[in-house]
Formats: sequence, C-alpha cells, structure tokens
Amino acid sequence: QVQLVESGGGLVKPGGSLRLSCAASGFTFSDNYMNWIRQAPGKGLEWVSYISSRGTLVYYADSVKGRFTVSRDNAKNSLSLQMNNLRAEDTGLYYCARGITGADGSWGQGTLVTVSS
Amino acid sequence: DIQMTQSPSSVSASVGDRVTITCRASQSIGKWLAWYQQKPGKAPKLLISAASTPESGVPSRFSGSGSGTDFTLTITSLQPEDFATYYCQQASNFPRTFGQGTRVEI
Repeated sequence: QVQLVESGGGLVKPGGSLRLSCAASGFTFSDNYMNWIRQAPGKGLEWVSYISSRGTLVYYADSVKGRFTVSRDNAKNSLSLQMNNLRAEDTGLYYCARGITGADGSWGQGTLVTVSS
Repeated sequence: DIQMTQSPSSVSASVGDRVTITCRASQSIGKWLAWYQQKPGKAPKLLISAASTPESGVPSRFSGSGSGTDFTLTITSLQPEDFATYYCQQASNFPRTFGQGTRVEI
C-alpha cells in the first residue's frame, strides 16, 4: 500500500535551516506530482510547495518563496524540502502528499518543525 | 490567489443527522475541488476529488457536488466516526488554497 514517511523535523532557532525528507513506497513515485502541506499547531492546512513528477516544475506559497526549495530523487523514491532562514511562523507539522488528479490522494503522518529561540 | 470560504466553521450534530458543508471559491475553479477529513492527531484523508468523485473506500454517505464557485459536501446519516474537521481545497490554480475547516462535533 502507499506509504509516505516524513523525517528531518526538529527544533531550530530563527534564521536557521532544516531539510525535510519524505520516503515513498507502495506506488510508482516517478508517476506522481508531490506536495508539501503544513499545519500550524491548532490551525488549518496550508499548502507549501508542489513539484511535478519529473521535478521540472515547482511552485511555492508566497510565504516561503525564496527560502524553501523542493526537490525529488525518483531513483530513490525520495522527496525533500530544504528550509532556510526559518521564522517562528514556519512552526508546524509538515506533511508530504502524493498528488492524483486534482487532489492529494495520500498523506504521510507529518514531521514537526519548531522554530524558537 | 483564490480564496476558499467554508461554512459553517463548526456544526453540532447527532448520530443519524444529515450534515451539509459548503465551500465557496472567490473565482471559478471548474470542478477542481477536493474534500478532506481530519481527525485529531491524524493526517488528513482524501474523501472527494473533482468535486464529486469519491475516493476508493469512502462510505457512500459522503457525497460532493457543485462546480464553478459553489460546492457542497453532504454527509447523510452521520456516524460516530464522522466527527472530525473537514477541509475543502481548490486544485485549479497555484497557490493551492484550503478552506478554513469545518468542525463537526456532537
């Protein structure tokens, strides 16, 4: 079955960096676009980034543009999110999600990022 | 950016009730609307894509309708396991945007 496992979260000071990873299994990773979506504690869902199936097309939320970089390695079934210059408002649970036509069909359990001094 | 407005923000209901949640887009998104269910401490789960296409395994009491700017998620005969927060998301344009969520509670 489809499995997405995020890792790399943790506590970081404002201005610091983290690299999140998402290991995919149970489907043909290279056939699907992928999204990162986050959720601040007690808040709703916020889309963060999109990457096409081959990695040639990427999009970002305005709130992270210029600070976050999404990438993928289809040979390793792996998705990454490099997060630089982190801010307190970046705190939250970060999910990777497998794209299907018009939706995010499968989600990981998330990895927690806390930005605090 | 396309704004997604859900209503109500919360609803109190009982087992067996019919619940309707609406989602309005600030501009036409065609049929590109998805609905998700999220239970406390869990990742969101896709219920409906393309406005009205149920995900495999989703109980038939969940249905979606609408197109353009106005969409509806209906839960007929609410079950105990349906108490959760529901989100709509537009998949027409980037940035993808979610509604603020509707909490279905007892």
